[in-house]
Parts: sequence; structure tokens; C-alpha cells
Amino acid sequence: GENVEQHPSTLSVQEGDSAVIKCTYSDSASNYFPWYKQELGKRPQLIIDIRSNVGEKKDQRIAVTLNKTAKHFSLHITETQPEDSAVYFCAASWAGGYQKVTFGIGTKLQVIP
Amino acid sequence: DGGITQSPKYLFRKEGQNVTLSCEQNLNHDAMYWYRQDPGQGLRLIYYSQIVNDFQKGDIAEGYSVSREKKESFPLTVTSAQKNPTAFYLCASSGKTSGRAGPQETQYFGPGTRLLVL
Repeated sequence: GENVEQHPSTLSVQEGDSAVIKCTYSDSASNYFPWYKQELGKRPQLIIDIRSNVGEKKDQRIAVTLNKTAKHFSLHITETQPEDSAVYFCAASWAGGYQKVTFGIGTKLQVIP
Repeated sequence: DGGITQSPKYLFRKEGQNVTLSCEQNLNHDAMYWYRQDPGQGLRLIYYSQIVNDFQKGDIAEGYSVSREKKESFPLTVTSAQKNPTAFYLCASSGKTSGRAGPQETQYFGPGTRLLVL
């Protein structure tokens, strides 16, 4: 089955700096990669996703890059703000059906004012 | 997301007791999922259902049971066989969402139920 590894497990940055979270996956058949943000005690919410036919996707201060050959994908947050503090999960699945999604272990991001 | 509800928000279980967590969605999604989240850990899949009257075990199904009699509902029962049930339980659904863009494989989560053992 699919295995998703995520690092770092914790990340502290100064407000205004950039943050990068990296994930690797094992199943070459995976072609859909969502990222979720989970604030303390709340539900995970989708913040951005990417399909394998795209190398990069950007939405305001958030971007995701995908290297399908190396089976790596990363989340980039620029100009971090205190409200970006949360746990971020990467995930991998096969698009086009209702196949199960495999999640990474999560990265706790702390933005220091 | 607003279309998925879970109840109760907090649930207390006594030793030897079975308890049932509710999950309802009005997004007309075919697929529904149950995850368990422990502190400092990711989301681990308990069960998932791709269609009514059908479901599959996830990675940690032992001590849990589910049913899918209606498209909108996917209740999870934590049985007495689950010896360490204290966790945050999240329900999710995916499928074609009317009035909303995005791939059908995107999962939308409910607010969660925190289960505690007395």
C-alpha cells in the first residue's frame, strides 16, 4: 500500500519568514496530493491540492510543488503570519475514484510574532 | 465542512461498554470515512465506505464496527474489544459536490468527536 513520509514534525519560523514542509510517497500510481491544515481541536481543512500532471500550483501565499519522478511534494508558505500556526498534513491518493487517502504524520508549524 | 456533522462532540465510555459515534452528511457524497487521531500522530483510517451497504476495513479496524444503510449516514461503533479507545475521531466524505468545484476525491471532514474513557 501507499506510504507517506512527512518532515519536519515541528517547525518554528519568525513572522514574515517562509516555511517549507516536505513529503515523499511510495506508490507511483498516486496522482492526487492534497494538503490539510488543522488548528487545535478543529477539523482538518483542505488548503491546496495538486495533481500529478502539474508541477506547481500557487494560491496567494501558499504553493505546492511536485516532483513525480522523485516522488516528492512540498508545501511552501511565504510571508508567514501567526494565524498560519497549525498542524499541516500532506496526503496521497489515486484520483478518479473513492480510493482511500494516505496521510503523513503532520507538521506542527509555529509562527513566532 | 458545514455539510458534515458529527455527534456528540464529547463522549464518555465506561469499561465494557459499546458506544456509537454519529456521522451525517448532506453533500450527496458516495464515499465516507472514519479516522482516529491520537496526540502527535497523523490520521489513521479505521473504515471506509464507497457506496451504500458496502464498506472496507482500514488500517486499524480491530475493535470497531460500522454500517452504511443510508447514503447520508455512516455511524461508527467502538466496541468493548477496543482496549484503548481514547482519541479524537474524525468522519469524512468525498464525491461530487453540487455547487462546489474540486475533484471528487477531496475529503471533507466533520468537526470530530472526542472519546474519553471513564
